[in-house]
Amino acid sequence: DQQVKQNSPSLSVQEGRISILNCDYTNSMFDYFLWYKKYPAEGPTFLISISSIKDKNEDGRFTVFLNKSAKHLSLHIVPSQPGDSAVYFCAASRTGNTPLVFGKGTRLSVIA
Amino acid sequence: DAGITQSPRHKVTETGTPVTLRCHQTENHRYMYWYRQDPGHGLRLIHYSYGVKDTDKGEVSDGYSVSRSKTEDFLLTLESATSSQTSVYFCAISEPVTDTQYFGPGTRLTVL
Repeated sequence: DQQVKQNSPSLSVQEGRISILNCDYTNSMFDYFLWYKKYPAEGPTFLISISSIKDKNEDGRFTVFLNKSAKHLSLHIVPSQPGDSAVYFCAASRTGNTPLVFGKGTRLSVIA
Repeated sequence: DAGITQSPRHKVTETGTPVTLRCHQTENHRYMYWYRQDPGHGLRLIHYSYGVKDTDKGEVSDGYSVSRSKTEDFLLTLESATSSQTSVYFCAISEPVTDTQYFGPGTRLTVL
């Protein structure tokens, strides 16, 4: 039973355009959501997070949107750059240092 | 970057041998985690620790044990390695307030 789902294994976007990565969750107890970026042969790096009390959080080129009623979040990258090419993981947890539950990841390729 | 190191970074071993992976942090964070990453599965939690000598099982704990005798070190042991434990193993630590986890560089383990 997958509690966090990333239904697109891969995504290809032109440089300068918007990248939209999607994530769905099933557990209504989740109240903290994160996105991680992973390059080959490196550990995942934290990108951006959002608490369930918000519906949007922005950090430079990265914006995360949360739709609690749909149990859906998305990561927008604008503009996309070749260095953004990586695997992106969505993760969720209940506040209080409970372990994160990860999606399977989406591989983003930004084409110059 | 969070001060997290993992050792060894690469290891090849034979089926049936014991293996211990080490995670070391310099951040004095209370929470530490072990994940494995496999193609098609994303990141899955093996065990985690919420303090010295306090540990709990994750989603895929069978065949693994952990120990934490000091705040800074979290050890993952495969008592008798099997080929299904060939994977990349990541350690993570979490901040006490925001639940954000920070990952180490990973250990690539091959069990022949």
